[in-house]
Amino acid sequence: DAGVIQSPRHEVTEMGQEVTLRCKPISGHDYLFWYRQTMMRGLELLIYFNNNVPIDDSGMPEDRFSAKMPNASFSTLKIQPSEPRDSAVYFCASSADTQYFGPGTRLTVL
Amino acid sequence: DQQVKQNSPSLSVQEGRISILNCDYTNSMFDYFLWYKKYPAEGPTFLISISSIKDKNEDGRFTVFLNKSAKHLSLHIVPSQPGDSAVYFCAARGGGSNYKLTFGKGTLLTVNP
Repeated sequence: DAGVIQSPRHEVTEMGQEVTLRCKPISGHDYLFWYRQTMMRGLELLIYFNNNVPIDDSGMPEDRFSAKMPNASFSTLKIQPSEPRDSAVYFCASSADTQYFGPGTRLTVL
Repeated sequence: DQQVKQNSPSLSVQEGRISILNCDYTNSMFDYFLWYKKYPAEGPTFLISISSIKDKNEDGRFTVFLNKSAKHLSLHIVPSQPGDSAVYFCAARGGGSNYKLTFGKGTLLTVNP
């Protein structure tokens, strides 16, 4: 199994631009999670899905952030418009029981 | 308010000795605890877990101890190896949400040859 796949691995963009992060979960996993890691706040859960349905989005910082899971093998996290304080590493994880993480996307907003 | 706390940002030990990483939690509804290891430029990887019905779980060189009355858990690595050098995250689950994990901020372990 290839594990959780995330793209891109690195993203540099300018303030105000739209950013889309992508995730392919492990086949057969029915839960998908989006996390953000920063020095100040550590690893924090943004949103998670069960069977493609958003269950808890209480961690999404504001309306500029949105996430979708159109099918069992794909999810996106979109930031529009992006701001410098969104700079962080974003992780996707999938789970049937234990959570398995992808390698992350390092986002830099200038 | 942080519900899972790892009060030591870093720890340095000699190869072959024991590494002890600590974690405290405040939410009494947590009933399952996990440790993840993270290398630079990689995602966290699952290491070991423990249910609240147990006080110890062992897997090779790794042992996790849980003290529910103190709301404290620890990860012991014996013997420590240079390849164990990584950031270790403590995580907790429960309180009605079986899949939502709350993470500590991590402890950087350095094992010196």
